[in-house]
Amino acid sequence: DAGITQSPRHKVTETGTPVTLRCHQTENHRYMYWYRQDPGHGLRLIHYSYGVKDTDKGEVSDGYSVSRSKTEDFLLTLESATSSQTSVYFCAISGQDTQYFGPGTRLTVL
Amino acid sequence: QKEVEQNSGPLSVPEGAIASLNCTYSDRGSQSFFWYRQYSGKSPELIMFIYSNGDKEDGRFTAQLNKASQYVSLLIRDSQPSDSATYLCAVGSGSARQLTFGSGTQLTVLP
Repeated sequence: DAGITQSPRHKVTETGTPVTLRCHQTENHRYMYWYRQDPGHGLRLIHYSYGVKDTDKGEVSDGYSVSRSKTEDFLLTLESATSSQTSVYFCAISGQDTQYFGPGTRLTVL
Repeated sequence: QKEVEQNSGPLSVPEGAIASLNCTYSDRGSQSFFWYRQYSGKSPELIMFIYSNGDKEDGRFTAQLNKASQYVSLLIRDSQPSDSATYLCAVGSGSARQLTFGSGTQLTVLP
């Protein structure tokens, strides 16, 4: 394993509530990513970070925000969860030749 | 919008056969190409990457790249039931820093 953990691993929440997902790495990589994976859509980039406090939007960033106050932690926040945000969320870190993925968080918004 | 297209499958092959997985991409400036394997309920794991035109072999896996045709493929020789998974193609403009993923091809290897 590439030293990436995600928490929580499973979460059920209700529409309109805030949700924060955490990604923690022990590899000291500069680049970190949040993806969502839905049937028929593959992995879609939500946000990424290229250093502490340096973040940028991905393909599907609406409704999501991120923060990175330490190299090892990258947080994804859904300010007001909607049913369309029900998905599996993967965190990833990037070396030169590959991206390594965390175990994923399954989020259900009722 | 950069696009990466894969046949969703499912693709079924008998044990011992060659499985061929295909991927096309829209961005002619793409420079790096990756194949990931994802078992059901698990996270993607890298199988191979390829940067240059031609073939790259690693054990039972061969990646083939044709930049002129904007096409990359993965061949799995002597397919095993343990190869049954979804295979994701990913394309980058340089290193692995910015990748666009296809939706994946589901492969089933029948004993």
